[in-house]
Formats: sequence, C-alpha cells, structure tokens
Amino acid sequence: DSGVTQTPKHLITATGQRVTLRCSPRSGDLSVYWYQQSLDQGLQFLIQYYNGEERAKGNILERFSAQQFPDLHSELNLSSLELGDSALYFCASSVPGGSTDTQYFGPGTRLTVL
Amino acid sequence: TQLLEQSPQFLSIQEGENLTVYCNSSSVFSSLQWYRQEPGEGPVLLVTVVTGGEVKKLKRLTFQFGDARKDSSLHITAAQPGDTGLYLCAGLMDSNYQLIWGAGTKLIIKP
Repeated sequence: DSGVTQTPKHLITATGQRVTLRCSPRSGDLSVYWYQQSLDQGLQFLIQYYNGEERAKGNILERFSAQQFPDLHSELNLSSLELGDSALYFCASSVPGGSTDTQYFGPGTRLTVL
Repeated sequence: TQLLEQSPQFLSIQEGENLTVYCNSSSVFSSLQWYRQEPGEGPVLLVTVVTGGEVKKLKRLTFQFGDARKDSSLHITAAQPGDTGLYLCAGLMDSNYQLIWGAGTKLIIKP
C-alpha cells in the first residue's frame, strides 16, 4: 500500500460525458501528479500540482483539467469523453526533494468510455 | 520525440535465464529511477541511482547508471516468474527536475 488513494477504482461512461477522478496523496506529500496509461502502454504524464499550484504540464488535452485543493487532494476532470480516453489514470504523490524525488502511485482508476 | 528510449519493448524468456533492459537518452539526468508495474496496479519504485557509474543491487537485480548520467541498465540474473511485469525507467531532468518516463519494457518469465 503506497498510501495514495484513488476513487473510483472503475468508471464506465458514455462518449460525450464528463467524469471526475479523485486522488488523496500520502500524508505530508505536497506534489500530486496525474498520468494516463493506455492498454499495454507506458505512462503519459498529464499534469503536476504542488501545494495547490500547477507546476508542470505534460500531454494534457484541453478537454481535461485538474486542480489541487487546500487539503492537498486533487481531482482530474475529463469532459466530452471520447472512446480513445479509455485508459488507466494514475495519481502519484511525492515530497519534491531535488535529485531523488520518488513518486508513490495510487492503484489507479480504470476508465471505460463506451 | 521520446527523450528516454527503453529497449527491448517486449521480452519473453524462460525461467532461469538472464536478461538486460536498457534505458538510453541524449539528455543528462540528476538521477534515474526504475519502477516495476504489475497488471492493474500502479508502478512501484525499485531503485534510484544518482551518481554516474553507480551500481546498485537488489537481490538478483543489478542496476547501473552510465558514467555520463545519460543511460541506465537493469540486469536480472536467473529470472523467475515473479519478475514478470512492466519495467519503467524515469529520469529526473537536470535542468528543471521534471521526471521523464520511458515507454517501458514488458517482461514475461515463463516457468
């Protein structure tokens, strides 16, 4: 158990819909990262938040947005869903510390868009 | 453009064999991490290498960071079915401390 929690574990929805994925980081971790992983693919970095502020952006679509709240939990909002958005979405957290920044991953949310 | 190239992408071998997975880049990294991911779960950190030329051992796994801190390798001796999984390398960029991920090596060890 990494200490990072994600809800829901599974989500099935239809094209055009909007969903919200939730992540609670490890206690004390200030950074939250969101990743997308399609079937048998590597991790695609989406976005990073640090202590409530956006720190880095990766390959995140304009239909997707995220935020980190004062209690440090984070939400990833996916809208106008397409079939190709079906994937595993991982949240990770870390205490940014320079050269040995370890990311701890949650169990992921499996999104299926029908 | 993939900044961190992993090879091979897929490897299926028999139990007891040895294997090496490579992670290469033209960029310099502050450190390089290796993660292992099992199906349906999140990646889990195996090791972090920080110094150029550094070698770390984790039981039958040997990790090496290149002298120039641009590449790394993971060598598994006498592979076992429990080693099956997706192995991901991730380099921490020297310039902005962003973690750059390789595409992963899918490893299957057959009993």
